[in-house]
Amino acid sequence: DSGVTQTPKHLITATGQRVTLRCSPRSGDLSVYWYQQSLDQGLQFLIQYYNGEERAKGNILERFSAQQFPDLHSELNLSSLELGDSALYFCASSVAGGGTEAFFGQGTRLTVV
Amino acid sequence: GENVEQHPSTLSVQEGDSAVIKCTYSDSASNYFPWYKQELGKGPQLIIDIRSNVGEKKDQRIAVTLNKTAKHFSLHITETQPEDSAVYFCAASGDFGNEKLTFGTGTRLTIIP
Repeated sequence: DSGVTQTPKHLITATGQRVTLRCSPRSGDLSVYWYQQSLDQGLQFLIQYYNGEERAKGNILERFSAQQFPDLHSELNLSSLELGDSALYFCASSVAGGGTEAFFGQGTRLTVV
Repeated sequence: GENVEQHPSTLSVQEGDSAVIKCTYSDSASNYFPWYKQELGKGPQLIIDIRSNVGEKKDQRIAVTLNKTAKHFSLHITETQPEDSAVYFCAASGDFGNEKLTFGTGTRLTIIP
């Protein structure tokens, strides 16, 4: 168990809908990262938050947004969902920013039908 | 931005033999290089990491080497066992402004009993 909790584990929704994925980082970790992993694909960086503020942005679609709350949990919001958004979404957390061990949650498997 | 290349994409070895996975990175400012193991349906698990001020690190059957000049780093698994079968990802990150982990495309390792 990495200590990073992601909910829900599975999500099935229709095209055009909006969903929210939740991540609780390890206790004491200030940095949260979101990654997308499509079938048989690598891990694509979406966005990073550090202590409540956005720190870095990757290839995140405009339909997607995220935030980190004062209690350091983070949410990834995906809207106007398309079939191609079906993927595993992982959250990782680390104590600080770069150069520190990052631990991943078990992921949320999103299926858009 | 950082680009990490990983080879091979698939690797099959006999149980008990050694496995080597190689990665190259492009950004000379990267200074942290972790390796993750991902089993089917699970999140990536950190198995070993190395920092740029170290050339080699070993943990039981797993070792990682780093050549900063050539921007190469490698994962070595000795005395392979069936439970080593998984997808392995290398990654690189740096300090502020380059904190996110940039992942390689993964290596599917199969241990043949």
